[in-house]
Amino acid sequence: SYELTQPPSVSVSPGQTARITCSGDALPKKYAYWYQKKSGQAPVLVIYEDSKRPSGIPERFSGSSSGTMATLTISGAQVEDEADYYCYSTDNSGNHRVFGGGTKLTVL
Amino acid sequence: EVQLVESGGGVVQPGRSLRLSCAASGFNFDDYAMHWVRQAPGKGLEWVSGISWSSAIIGYADSVKGRFTISRDNAKNALYLQMNSLRAEDMALYYCAKDHAQQLEGFDYWGQGTLVTVSS
Repeated sequence: SYELTQPPSVSVSPGQTARITCSGDALPKKYAYWYQKKSGQAPVLVIYEDSKRPSGIPERFSGSSSGTMATLTISGAQVEDEADYYCYSTDNSGNHRVFGGGTKLTVL
Repeated sequence: EVQLVESGGGVVQPGRSLRLSCAASGFNFDDYAMHWVRQAPGKGLEWVSGISWSSAIIGYADSVKGRFTISRDNAKNALYLQMNSLRAEDMALYYCAKDHAQQLEGFDYWGQGTLVTVSS
């Protein structure tokens, strides 16, 4: 099976930059997607195809990918950005579609 | 406005079956792939299954392969998940999710989920 690895937690103060990483062997050839998940709410897409931001997502959210690592960056994190963040991608065969284990972002 | 409304969840005994449905509106349903994603209590997100716009491409997570069947009815704007031989580890909130492409890529909209409880 295929695995995407994320840090369990990231903590920043309001206004600082938060970076959440996602590592996977197929990321050089496969896109990463990033989802924000708040308790009791449906997930929200914040970055797709490594670095594209959907309409309605604040500009402070950005994504990048280099080699086997994708990174979600929140520039000037706000208290309302506190959530679990998940990366999603597939292995090179396309047969295994997986989420990373999730990263709990704390902003305080 | 894209709307995805799941239904069919409930309490079921181990080994029994359940069929989930997802009613879609606000977009051209037959232009996009669709998926089921679940989240067990206290756990992370898990992709369960996906189906392309034409049903030509279907995928399953290893954990459900051979027990779950995904299908869609483009005439009814509906997505389904037939779940057989349910196990305790299948207990989760099941989300219906719209893909942003015709083939299996990534999800851009999610429903609110339907809860499946597997218990004797």
